[in-house]
Parts: sequence; structure tokens; C-alpha cells
Amino acid sequence: DTAVSQTPKYLVTQMGNDKSIKCEQNLGHDTMYWYKQDSKKFLKIMFSYNNKELIINETVPNRFSPKSPDKAHLNLHINSLELGDSAVYFCASSQDQDGNSPLHFGNGTRLTVT
Amino acid sequence: GDSVTQMEGPVTLSEEAFLTINCTYTATGYPSLFWYVQYPGEGLQLLLKATKADDKGSNKGFEATYRKETTSFHLEKGSVQVSDSAVYFCALSEPPGNTGKLIFGQGTTLQVKP
Repeated sequence: DTAVSQTPKYLVTQMGNDKSIKCEQNLGHDTMYWYKQDSKKFLKIMFSYNNKELIINETVPNRFSPKSPDKAHLNLHINSLELGDSAVYFCASSQDQDGNSPLHFGNGTRLTVT
Repeated sequence: GDSVTQMEGPVTLSEEAFLTINCTYTATGYPSLFWYVQYPGEGLQLLLKATKADDKGSNKGFEATYRKETTSFHLEKGSVQVSDSAVYFCALSEPPGNTGKLIFGQGTTLQVKP
């Protein structure tokens, strides 16, 4: 019973392409996130949604567009991919956004842009 | 802004050795503090947390105490096992009522040898 699942696990694509990563959680949580982990393992938040409403939008290029069709799903679409977008992208969810609820992470999507 | 600093890795220990991974933070308010663990090929999992000064979080033999006077949250374990080999992340969340965003340290890789 996967709590937070994201697809695909691996994504290899060429510069300039558009791609999407999907995320679903079956925990009944209200808040979902996208984090980016670079090659040095450093994790940085990109976006968060609470009940389909955008809460956090860090300094992310507008080529990245999150979409939350319902509170169990948060997808990430990336336009015009660049080499620097290569990273592992993690989806996560939490019960709420009060800062005390633990995050539950998916297993990541490793994006490689060639 | 708020930040988290962890000791540089990798940390290499023999089985049954004592583990300390240092973590210090800077924050304007009174954050909650967390340790997350990432096993190879997986997403992060919450290891333990503390929400106020002098709280001690513990789980699976790991402990960390929220020290406001030294702004620290060091992770300790009395006797490590090979299965503890992973990347450990210290993190803080901004005060309740805020966005619930987690700010992570850079991660510390632990390698335990038999």
C-alpha cells in the first residue's frame, strides 16, 4: 500500500522537451509538496498546495508548473527542459501545513536531461 | 533567513560504534526540528522530531535533544548497525501558522562497516 507514489521513477529526455511527473497520495492529507534534490543531495522546496490551493511557490523558473486536480494529486509539468533541471524530484504530503506534521515522501523521480 | 547546517560527511563507522551527527540551526522564531533518513533509492522518512526547547525525540535507538541555548539538534545512537547506513537530514519548520515549509540541511552520509 504505497502512501505517496510518483511516476515515472526514471525520466531521460532531451533539452527543449516538455515532460510531466505525476504524484498521488492515499493518506488523506491536505497538503502536498514538490522538492528538488540536486546531485549533492541538497533538498529544496519548490511548491506546496493545501486543498488544491497554491501555498508556496519558491524561486522556481516559470517553466515549472504544478497542477493539483484534487487534494490527492499534485503533478509537475516542466516546459523546455534544460540540462540544469537534471535532479531527483520528490513529491511529499503532510496532514496539514502547521509545520509540525511530518512529511511523507515518494521514492523520487530521477530526471536526466541530455 | 532560516537555515540548517550539518556536519560534513561521509561518516564511516564500524558496527556497534557510537554515532553523533551534528546539526545547528538559525531561525527567527521557535521552529520544530526534525531528523529524516534516506535509504538508497528511496524517499526520505521521518526518524524523529522535537517541537520545543528541551524536548527529546527518539526512535529506533536514535535520539536528539532540542537545545535552544546552543541552537542545536544533534543526532546520536549508542550502537550503530550496518542497516543504519543511509543519508541523514536535519530539518526545521517555520513557526506554526506559517506555510509548513521544511528547510533541510545538506545531509550527512553514514556508512557502517561490519
